[in-house]
Amino acid sequence: AQSVAQPEDQVNVAEGNPLTVKCTYSVSGNPYLFWYVQYPNRGLQFLLKYITGDNLVKGSYGFEAEFNKSQTSFHLKKPSALVSDSALYFCAVRDGVYGGATNKLIFGTGTLLAVQP
Amino acid sequence: NAGVTQTPKFRILKIGQSMTLQCTQDMNHNYMYWYRQDPGMGLKLIYYSVGAGITDKGEVPNGYNVSRSTTEDFPLRLELAAPSQTSVYFCASSLTGVTDTQYFGPGTRLTVL
Repeated sequence: AQSVAQPEDQVNVAEGNPLTVKCTYSVSGNPYLFWYVQYPNRGLQFLLKYITGDNLVKGSYGFEAEFNKSQTSFHLKKPSALVSDSALYFCAVRDGVYGGATNKLIFGTGTLLAVQP
Repeated sequence: NAGVTQTPKFRILKIGQSMTLQCTQDMNHNYMYWYRQDPGMGLKLIYYSVGAGITDKGEVPNGYNVSRSTTEDFPLRLELAAPSQTSVYFCASSLTGVTDTQYFGPGTRLTVL
């Protein structure tokens, strides 16, 4: 069965410092990996995704994520955090095996990013 | 292009009441989804649809029903509301179901008392 884990409930970082939000996954086939961000009282917004190709994926608002197959990880990163980056971040995975129940997108429990000025 | 819209934004129900959460998308997406979000639990898939007339259960379908008569609309029906259905409900859509990005509506916050 596919699963995704976000080991940190909250990440605190000072504005201007680099940030990392961790995500690990488990699938039986090739993973399709996504990051979403949720601002208070809003729906989820797409940040970036890995389907195939280059392991470093660049997305919206200066975020990037690195796919590491050997460590089954897809950590979200940004070189310099902004106070406006404070939000809830979700990692999600879909198993690349075609067909049926394995194609559903499974979400992690979310990591709250707090950027202090 | 409004994307995915949901109504209502907020609703309070009494135990045993029924209601329909509305979801509409104007992107001509084939796939639509309903999720619920509970604190500390991430999002759980309730039902999904791969096209008009085709729906299937997700992880937590009990207590809910859906229909998809058009490409644009995917309403979620609660027949006998229970306190366990207190949650935030999100509708989403995607062009296809495998590698495409899902686009989310703003959510409906439902409280069952």
